[in-house]
Amino acid sequence: DTAVSQTPKYLVTQMGNDKSIKCEQNLGHDTMYWYKQDSKKFLKIMFSYNNKELIINETVPNRFSPKSPDKAHLNLHINSLELGDSAVYFCASSRAGELTEQFFGPGTRLTVL
Amino acid sequence: GENVEQHPSTLSVQEGDSAVIKCTYSDSASNYFPWYKQELGKGPQLIIDIRSNVGEKKDQRIAVTLNKTAKHFSLHITETQPEDSAVYFCAATGGGYQKVTFGTGTKLQVIP
Repeated sequence: DTAVSQTPKYLVTQMGNDKSIKCEQNLGHDTMYWYKQDSKKFLKIMFSYNNKELIINETVPNRFSPKSPDKAHLNLHINSLELGDSAVYFCASSRAGELTEQFFGPGTRLTVL
Repeated sequence: GENVEQHPSTLSVQEGDSAVIKCTYSDSASNYFPWYKQELGKGPQLIIDIRSNVGEKKDQRIAVTLNKTAKHFSLHITETQPEDSAVYFCAATGGGYQKVTFGTGTKLQVIP
């Protein structure tokens, strides 16, 4: 009964490749997020969608493109992967509104060689 | 934008002792302050939160205090146990749409 799930858990790929990470939540939440956690454990928001609409888009390279086919899914596609993209990527979800808990997925460890 | 500073970056305590982690934030519009615990290989999980109209909140061995005037908030864990060992993140939320700014994390080690 996983609340927020991500696939794959590990992703190892070569520089220049294109890859996708998928996220699904079964909590009925309206808002979903992508976070990047670097090797120093810094956790930074990348994108947020509310009801399939992009509402937060931080200073992320255009190579990163989120896609939300429906409220329960938020995928992350990355083009032309670079070494600096290596990190753990977390998907999260929450109810709509400002003051609510975010539920995080288990993370996808991306390694770019 | 919001800036959240967190100290210390690492903290070692003996089992049974208390642990305190402190955070400051910059945006006076922030009004929600969650604390997340991240265990090794897992995603962060909320352990306690506090809203701007409250000065203190307690949940068993965990308590959080908020000083809005000084723009700082703290996490207190009493009677620490080995399973409390993890990375703890403070965060501040404001400005709509739940844009959460996380602190830099504190790695807590509880020594049995």
